[in-house]
Amino acid sequence: SQQGEEDPQALSIQEGENATMNCSYKTSINNLQWYRQNSGRGLVHLILIRSNEREKHSGRLRVTLDTSKKSSSLLITASRAADTASYFCASLHTGGFKTIFGAGTRLFVKA
Amino acid sequence: EAQVTQNPRYLITVTGKKLTVTCSQNMNHEYMSWYRQDPGLGLRQIYYSMNVEVTDKGDVPEGYKVSRKEKRNFPLILESPSPNQTSLYFCASSLFWAENSNQPQHFGDGTRLSIL
Repeated sequence: SQQGEEDPQALSIQEGENATMNCSYKTSINNLQWYRQNSGRGLVHLILIRSNEREKHSGRLRVTLDTSKKSSSLLITASRAADTASYFCASLHTGGFKTIFGAGTRLFVKA
Repeated sequence: EAQVTQNPRYLITVTGKKLTVTCSQNMNHEYMSWYRQDPGLGLRQIYYSMNVEVTDKGDVPEGYKVSRKEKRNFPLILESPSPNQTSLYFCASSLFWAENSNQPQHFGDGTRLSIL
């Protein structure tokens, strides 16, 4: 399977703390995207980082990409109870344009 | 409103009875894709299409068919469904390419299939 890996599988933190999720992939990519999913509903796009970028910010989100290690991380700062959801990375691979998702990180933010 | 629409949202059926899950997008997107989501496995790509009449296999295409005769529609066909195809299915679309593949995917709300 080409499926990407994410860790941790689950993360429980207090409101106001930062949450960091990591993602690894296996082959060359065009970009890597992060999505959020609430309770089995459709995924919502959060942020996209291109293969030639190393860091990107959007509001409370910070994404890094290390293509030499084939890994990415998503940092959510000052977390809120409303951030409770599952988070997935998705890598768009070169030479065929398959999209490979990680298994996801379940984040629980306690109020 | 820009959206990806899947139908049906829920379906319970029996082994071997052909079914089609429809997907339609109103954003004039070139790229469309089907995924299945199973507990602990995240989303796995079944098929994708880069434009009309252009489709390719994802990671788990066995037991599925797709067609892309029109830009807005990308139906998923299960010719002879089996219980191991019980899953939550998502359709997605994005603006495409060829030099700029850096577009997010827009997802439908999902179709929950149960094959008995």
